[in-house]
Amino acid sequence: QKEVEQDPGPLSVPEGAIVSLNCTYSNSAFQYFMWYRQYSRKGPELLMYTYSSGNKEDGRFTAQVDKSSKYISLFIRDSQPSDSATYLCAMSASGNEKLTFGTGTRLTIIP
Amino acid sequence: DAGITQSPRYKITETGRQVTLMCHQTWSHSYMFWYRQDLGHGLRLIYYSAAADITDKGEVPDGYVVSRSKTENFPLTLESATRSQTSVYFCASNGPSGDTQYFGPGTRLTVL
Repeated sequence: QKEVEQDPGPLSVPEGAIVSLNCTYSNSAFQYFMWYRQYSRKGPELLMYTYSSGNKEDGRFTAQVDKSSKYISLFIRDSQPSDSATYLCAMSASGNEKLTFGTGTRLTIIP
Repeated sequence: DAGITQSPRYKITETGRQVTLMCHQTWSHSYMFWYRQDLGHGLRLIYYSAAADITDKGEVPDGYVVSRSKTENFPLTLESATRSQTSVYFCASNGPSGDTQYFGPGTRLTVL
């Protein structure tokens, strides 16, 4: 079993919809949680970063961490075609340590 | 604000040849990382470095060598390339905030 599980999709939703992306993990030592966005043939781009449990909002994006359930989510409101990308969750026990990544969810927003 | 640069961006080589991928960061931050990305496997850590002259193995280090004589550079060498090393390679650094990782644009390597 992988340390971090992420549904690979693909996921297609109409423009304007709310998107929910999720990851589960097994290592209770993880405290730093990130979401990266990766466009085709580009490097991963840090989208959201959360320490420990709770919610964090940045514009149309909200990251949630539930450490008791070992479950993290990324919500995208009012989704736009420009949000079409692969979304990778990542986590670590220490911010400087190697990250453990999910395999990524491919998202397509249909105009 | 260049951040992390990688070169070359594309490379085609033959089995058995030595190949070096370059990574340079402009922040002079301590940690640097090399990942490979393959379909079905996501990003896997090859090697990382906590500081100049300090390196450690990641999840998939076999067939790779790293060095870090200067804080800002972290080259990755494939000593004798194999077809299974065909992949996209990403370098990362822990960036200005120090507590997460920022990635370079990647090197797409094909071994024939």
